[in-house]
Formats: sequence, C-alpha cells, structure tokens
Amino acid sequence: QITLKESGPTLVKPTQTLTLTCTFSGFSLSTSGVGVGWIRQPPGKALEWLALIYWNDDKRYSPSLESRLTITKDTSKNQVVLTMANLDPVDTATYYCAHRVRQLGTFDYWGQGTLVTVSS
Amino acid sequence: QSVLTQPPSVSAAPGQKVTISCSGSTSNIGNNYVSWYQRLPGTAPKLLIYKDNNRPSGIPDRFSGSKSGTSVTLGITGLQTGDEADYYCGTWDSSLSAVVFGGGTKLTVL
Repeated sequence: QITLKESGPTLVKPTQTLTLTCTFSGFSLSTSGVGVGWIRQPPGKALEWLALIYWNDDKRYSPSLESRLTITKDTSKNQVVLTMANLDPVDTATYYCAHRVRQLGTFDYWGQGTLVTVSS
Repeated sequence: QSVLTQPPSVSAAPGQKVTISCSGSTSNIGNNYVSWYQRLPGTAPKLLIYKDNNRPSGIPDRFSGSKSGTSVTLGITGLQTGDEADYYCGTWDSSLSAVVFGGGTKLTVL
C-alpha cells in the first residue's frame, strides 16, 4: 500500500531555510503520471498548496511562494525534498506531502504531517 | 482569501443530511476535476471524493459529490458524530497554474 512520511526540523529560526523530506513507499516516482506534492496548514487556517513534482521532473510552485521554494526528487531513494528559504513566523504550520496522479487531479494519499514552528 | 469559496460552517443533527458548497470560476472548477477532503481533528486530510463525484474505495456511499458549472457540492447523508471535521474542496486552476483549495467548512453534528 502507499505510505508517505514527512521528516525535518520541528523548530526553525526566522530567516533560516527549511528542508523537509518526504519518504514514500508503495509507488515509484518514475511511473508515468505520478507526482508528489507538498501542502501546509497553519494553525486554525486552511490548507495551502506549496509545490508539486511529477515523474518527468515537471515542477510546479505556488505563485505566491515560488521565489522561496525548491522541490526535488530522488527516485532511487523514494524521496522528495522541499526547501523553503527565508522563513518567517507566519510559515509556522503542519506540512504534508501527498501522492498525486496527474490524470486524476487529486491528492489521494497523504502523510501524517510534521509541525514546523518558526520562532527565535 | 481562498480562490475557492466555501461556507465557514454548517451543522445538522445526527441522521440528517447536509450539503457543503464550493464555488469557483471557469479557470478552476469549471474546467478541472474537483476533489473533497476530510480533516478529522488531529489527523491528516483524507480524500473523500475525486473527479467531481467519485469515491475512493473504503469511502461509504453516504458521501457524494456533484458539480454544476463553476460550483460543486459535497453531500453527506445519515450524519454521524464521527463526521465532525473540516471539509475542503480542491482543484487545479489553469490560469494560476496552481492547485487551489477552499477555505474549509467546519461540520458540526449537533
């Protein structure tokens, strides 16, 4: 079955860069149509999409955060890495990675999420 | 301000039916598939509906999706206290080239 798990620091200082890793199993990012996305949810707020990477290395970013985000994949390790630069306290949120099939246009499997707090 | 508009909250009694609306535009809902997600307290979002009105395996038929133009609706029948959660619609926006979500709707089962 498909599983995903996020990992990374729980506390980051303002202006620092956040690096989050999504380690998955049950699918391959070399399979046509498959992608992995990152979504976050600040406390008490709505879901916010951040970035998406597909099997063919097609990358998409949230227009409002694109200048701060980089998404990469390591197919051999079954991992997707998201980096976010110049963190601010408003970036405090639970960060999720999720499996996506392009033809379905949906996130069908989600990781458990990891809470990242940005504070000095 | 979310691209997709949902009511902040809805409520109904156990056993009753409730609908949650999600409105957008031709660049998103009008021309792309919509999904619905359920976020129970303290858990990750879970896919309820995909491609406007399809249920993944394991999702009971109490949950249904429909679409009309630039709006979609999630219906839940036979409400249970375990259905209390936040519900989000989501889709691709072709103009923004971005995944967009609604602001979320909190369902209270009275």
